[in-house]
Amino acid sequence: GQNIDQPTEMTATEGAIVQINCTYQTSGFNGLFWYQQHAGEAPTFLSYNVLDGLEEKGRFSSFLSRSKGYSYLLLKELQMKDSASYLCAPQGNTGFQKLVFGTGTRLLVSP
Amino acid sequence: GAGVSQTPSNKVTEKGKYVELRCDPISGHTALYWYRQSLGQGPEFLIYFQGTGAADDSGLPNDRFFAVRPEGSVSTLKIQRTERGDSAVYLCASSLQGGVTDTQYFGPGTRLTVL
Repeated sequence: GQNIDQPTEMTATEGAIVQINCTYQTSGFNGLFWYQQHAGEAPTFLSYNVLDGLEEKGRFSSFLSRSKGYSYLLLKELQMKDSASYLCAPQGNTGFQKLVFGTGTRLLVSP
Repeated sequence: GAGVSQTPSNKVTEKGKYVELRCDPISGHTALYWYRQSLGQGPEFLIYFQGTGAADDSGLPNDRFFAVRPEGSVSTLKIQRTERGDSAVYLCASSLQGGVTDTQYFGPGTRLTVL
């Protein structure tokens, strides 16, 4: 089975930095995805980590520790448009890309 | 190019009725996925197609749910004898080959409401 834990909600101020944590337990592990989902819209791909360490992509970075079953998404220079849900999806050993999502973290960015 | 499209965008039906939800994946994508998302939850996997065949249908909640992809492109999710608990957003996604590193691209979803 799979167990994924993320904070339910977070708030932050425009221009600030926020870190969204995700801990997980999976049967096997291939990698971990982060998706962004604005209210009423489809999830969109943000990042994929397979090796330990930090992957930086513009204002967004994602970190993975396989041994600790832990990942985080780091958002810098927050903008109002970053208000959305952020979904962590660790990938177990299924032989294909079957995404199992956590409940997501709803981030609210205020002025 | 065109992304994943889903029709209808909204569907309201009565308890006990039959519904069909359609997904048109990105052209050339062999892998297609259906997910269901309830309010305040992440998407929940339902079924995965590789080409025309259902490679994994372990997420379908019961035998009222069925999906097809007869020509390896468009897919239809069929729900018989709908129940109020089936109300959710049904998301479709496609990826190039279904490989573990392939990005899944999601459609806008169909919001199903069962009265």
